[in-house]
Amino acid sequence: ETGVTQTPRHLVMGMTNKKSLKCEQHLGHNAMYWYKQSAKKPLELMFVYNFKEQTENNSVPSRFSPECPNSSHLFLHLHTLQPEDSALYLCASSQVGEGDQPQHFGDGTRLSIL
Amino acid sequence: DQQVKQNSPSLSVQEGRISILNCDYTNSMFDYFLWYKKYPAEGPTFLISISSIKDKNEDGRFTVFLNKSAKHLSLHIVPSQPGDSAVYFCAASAAASYGKLTFGQGTILTVHP
Repeated sequence: ETGVTQTPRHLVMGMTNKKSLKCEQHLGHNAMYWYKQSAKKPLELMFVYNFKEQTENNSVPSRFSPECPNSSHLFLHLHTLQPEDSALYLCASSQVGEGDQPQHFGDGTRLSIL
Repeated sequence: DQQVKQNSPSLSVQEGRISILNCDYTNSMFDYFLWYKKYPAEGPTFLISISSIKDKNEDGRFTVFLNKSAKHLSLHIVPSQPGDSAVYFCAASAAASYGKLTFGQGTILTVHP
């Protein structure tokens, strides 16, 4: 298994649909992250989970709802999205509390809102 | 306000030459800096990092330099190879930020054979 796996890789949904993005890490890390990458913009941090507790919510609209049932899995539940939410959504994991450690990323889910 | 900036959207280099990618930051609390490489349709891949207690870190063809007084870091790739063609992102974090990273906009590097 590769380090961080995201499914699905591509998702097209209407504005009234409900869908979920899934992320799984096989690195034994204790922190997981959701990022959004829109065209010509830097990666924007959305949510941070440390030891399964949410420690950061960067003013993300409530139509995005994260869930972290354990330290290996992270979900992003989507509901009533807008066209401007079309972007690449990246999941990452890292080991915090043991000095400087890099985050490792999945390949992302390309989301298109019709 | 963007705290990490990569002012060059693109860089073109001949194979075998040196590639120098630059990054500036404004937040003096940042103490850990990273470079990531990203190919199309893939997630960012960690390349190299540097702690603020150092001014240089080397790993094979990749060297990162940190100038804290100028709040500037750079990535040197020597020699550059066509396979290095990708988007390069610099990122920074502050202690006790639970690993939260702030990214620059990225620089597209093209290495010509």
